[in-house]
Amino acid sequence: GAGVSQSPSNKVTEKGKDVELRCDPISGHTALYWYRQSLGQGLEFLIYFQGNSAPDKSGLPSDRFSAERTGGSVSTLTIQRTQQEDSAVYLCASKEAGGPNNEQFFGPGTRLTVL
Amino acid sequence: AQSVSQHNHHVILSEAASLELGCNYSYGGTVNLFWYVQYPGQHLQLLLKYFSGDPLVKGIKGFEAEFIKSKFSFNLRKPSVQWSDTAEYFCAVNGRQAGTALIFGKGTTLSVSS
Repeated sequence: GAGVSQSPSNKVTEKGKDVELRCDPISGHTALYWYRQSLGQGLEFLIYFQGNSAPDKSGLPSDRFSAERTGGSVSTLTIQRTQQEDSAVYLCASKEAGGPNNEQFFGPGTRLTVL
Repeated sequence: AQSVSQHNHHVILSEAASLELGCNYSYGGTVNLFWYVQYPGQHLQLLLKYFSGDPLVKGIKGFEAEFIKSKFSFNLRKPSVQWSDTAEYFCAVNGRQAGTALIFGKGTTLSVSS
């Protein structure tokens, strides 16, 4: 079956521009996470969606970052007025409903480069 | 503060050598523990996980990890590495509440020479 997909795979943008990153979770997975993988920093949690509940935005680094999830499926992470420190690989993960024991399945990521 | 510490940034081994990657965590409450692996050019994938029960867990490709609660550790081991084990390895933790995000270590790059 299809895994988590993300688009684009690579994005190069100029400082100050807005970007949108897309995540298609595994069909039927109600939980969706965004993480950021920066050089030397490991993976950092950004935001979490579960069904129709209000998202957990506690990991977003600034108000330039936002995300939405339409219809409980596809999610879009938006970064406004991009800065060079936003350059990273942005990873999306999804998992089935239920407790935290369920495995999170990761997508291939979007590599964002801000010039 | 919640955190995961991986002691080795880069490990270089010859094939057939034994591997142990250290992982310590700081997290309040009962935890789930994970090791993820990212092979060159591939997705992050789950290697093994611990939720409860036997603290020695076995994963794919001959890997195992031992949860030592008193040491807040979850070290990854493999008795004999192969060239194909060359990858980046991440230790992660989350809490037992539904929806808690994973907290990752910074990763360990393993290079295995044939």
